[in-house]
Amino acid sequence: KNEVEQSPQNLTAQEGEFITINCSYSVGISALHWLQQHPGGGIVSLFMLSSGKKKHGRLIATINIQEKHSSLHITASHPRDSAVYICAVSTYNTDKLIFGTGTRLQVFP
Amino acid sequence: NAGVTQTPKFRVLKTGQSMTLLCAQDMNHEYMYWYRQDPGMGLRLIHYSVGEGTTAKGEVPDGYNVSRLKKQNFLLGLESAAPSQTSVYFCASSYAPVMNTEAFFGQGTRLTVV
Repeated sequence: KNEVEQSPQNLTAQEGEFITINCSYSVGISALHWLQQHPGGGIVSLFMLSSGKKKHGRLIATINIQEKHSSLHITASHPRDSAVYICAVSTYNTDKLIFGTGTRLQVFP
Repeated sequence: NAGVTQTPKFRVLKTGQSMTLLCAQDMNHEYMYWYRQDPGMGLRLIHYSVGEGTTAKGEVPDGYNVSRLKKQNFLLGLESAAPSQTSVYFCASSYAPVMNTEAFFGQGTRLTVV
């Protein structure tokens, strides 16, 4: 079983819809990272959080440490949000990230 | 700002050939990482460096070597390429350990070994 699991693997939405991507992990973490990867492009860091909630524009990330679960929400989705969203965790005793397999989001006009 | 730059962006190699991937960062970061991304799998760490002159093995180091002679550059070498090394390679850097700070990624290098 992977230490970081994301759901769903694939997601399609109509423009304007509210989107939720989930990430569950099984290890103790120091922080959780949400990353975005556009088709054929590089990877961009969206959020790093260790508790509570962070918001940037239409993106909101939440984390529940007790339940070992995080969600990434996109409000008023737009076709330019189409990308792969990757969850990754860092642990206290290593310098490394453990990655989920990603959620592929397609938003149609 | 350039951030993290990888060269080349694409490459096709024949089995047995060698090549070097270059990662350059202009943010004065101490930590640099090489990952590979394969379909259906999360990014996996190949090698990493916690400062100039240091390197360490990651999760999947076999068949690769690295060097960090200058703080801003982290080179990934394939000594004798194999089809199993067909992948997309990402370099990343961070100011501090990723337990404490975000990582910055390059655009990726798509490598095909035939």
